[in-house]
Amino acid sequence: GQNIDQPTEMTATEGAIVQINCTYQTSGFNGLFWYQQHAGEAPTFLSYNVLDGLEEKGRFSSFLSRSKGYSYLLLKELQMKDSASYLCAVRDTTGGSYIPTFGRGTSLIVHP
Amino acid sequence: GAVVSQHPSRVICKSGTSVKIECRSLDFQATTMFWYRQFPKQSLMLMATSNEGSKATYEQGVEKDKFLINHASLTLSTLTVTSAHPEDSSFYICSARDGWTEAFFGQGTRLTVV
Repeated sequence: GQNIDQPTEMTATEGAIVQINCTYQTSGFNGLFWYQQHAGEAPTFLSYNVLDGLEEKGRFSSFLSRSKGYSYLLLKELQMKDSASYLCAVRDTTGGSYIPTFGRGTSLIVHP
Repeated sequence: GAVVSQHPSRVICKSGTSVKIECRSLDFQATTMFWYRQFPKQSLMLMATSNEGSKATYEQGVEKDKFLINHASLTLSTLTVTSAHPEDSSFYICSARDGWTEAFFGQGTRLTVV
């Protein structure tokens, strides 16, 4: 199984940059996902990392270090609509199931 | 990305009745579908994994006789909450995977049992 840890809540100012960290422990790592979830809605896919390094997609970037069991999601030029919960999920190969396990999510509050 | 449709988005039912939730992959064949439950301000908790044509694999602590999952085709999985009680009120979300791609989520179903 996995042990996924991410901060519970973060606040940031509109226009700024925020980094949301995620650490994990897993016996069979097979990829890390970041999702955005607005209250009362289903998660939407943001990024996927399976190799070390930085993946950039517009205002959002995601970084992975497999040796450190560490990832972060970087949000640039923050907008009010970015206020949401950000979920880190790790896919595990244990038992051949490749099932993603979700962290508790980080609630990001963007204020003017 | 791929589209996963979940229906209904909201349902209110009386205690003791059963509710069926559908999850469809609209533009791809989903070999695997996942069912999650999410309580307020908590993360997604995996309930079960279903593979087309075989029995679902339930996570520890999830009653398979209460949460019936059917994955009869590559585009449809259903979750039936049988004899629902107020404590079953939650946000239920399905996701579908096509081979090795990341799972895509349905819109979620807000179940309220009164």
